[in-house]
Amino acid sequence: GAVVSQHPSWVICKSGTSVKIECRSLDFQATTMFWYRQFPKQSLMLMATSNEGSKATYEQGVEKDKFLINHASLTLSTLTVTSAHPEDSSFYICSAETGTSYNEQFFGPGTRLTVL
Amino acid sequence: DQQVKQNSPSLSVQEGRISILNCDYTNSMFDYFLWYKKYPAEGPTFLISISSIKDKNEDGRFTVFLNKSAKHLSLHIVPSQPGDSAVYFCAASANTDKLIFGTGTRLQVFP
Repeated sequence: GAVVSQHPSWVICKSGTSVKIECRSLDFQATTMFWYRQFPKQSLMLMATSNEGSKATYEQGVEKDKFLINHASLTLSTLTVTSAHPEDSSFYICSAETGTSYNEQFFGPGTRLTVL
Repeated sequence: DQQVKQNSPSLSVQEGRISILNCDYTNSMFDYFLWYKKYPAEGPTFLISISSIKDKNEDGRFTVFLNKSAKHLSLHIVPSQPGDSAVYFCAASANTDKLIFGTGTRLQVFP
């Protein structure tokens, strides 16, 4: 089955630094990828929708200048958390749509970000 | 290795009937299971959850059953309504760690 990978799986950084998280579809091309932030009690918040070759669509309340998304190819989307602060510490999860008739969505394993 | 599996990519059910969505998992450390519902162009929204200490949780038309010995859970929707048409994801976590999602089942409820 289709696989979506994320790198790194976990990262610890100092406050004020920037962190890049990669999301890759390993065996299919994904025209659309999604970025989520996981909050306590397993609630999931959609941050943005990333379309290859175009600007990401951000959900209301998500700072586009802080969470930079680049969908450079059909298999890669990146999320850069700029000037990270402790409150940005969370799990960040990406998913990718296959674009087939079922348009299945596959989730990545998540990236745990800890900002000190 | 897919730790959470939804083997049926799609399901069609007549309005008023019961919809049963299935999910299997392989990791015996999972202790919390959730179902999410997703409409097109939107993120998944939380629907119902169950802890591993229970075998059933009910919320209105939605009931989740957990069979730990079989590592299987199911979501029952009764009666099904056209507004239930969406993609349903099951997810699992161990010790409140990150969520592991299944691949989703597209439910279509027709009149």
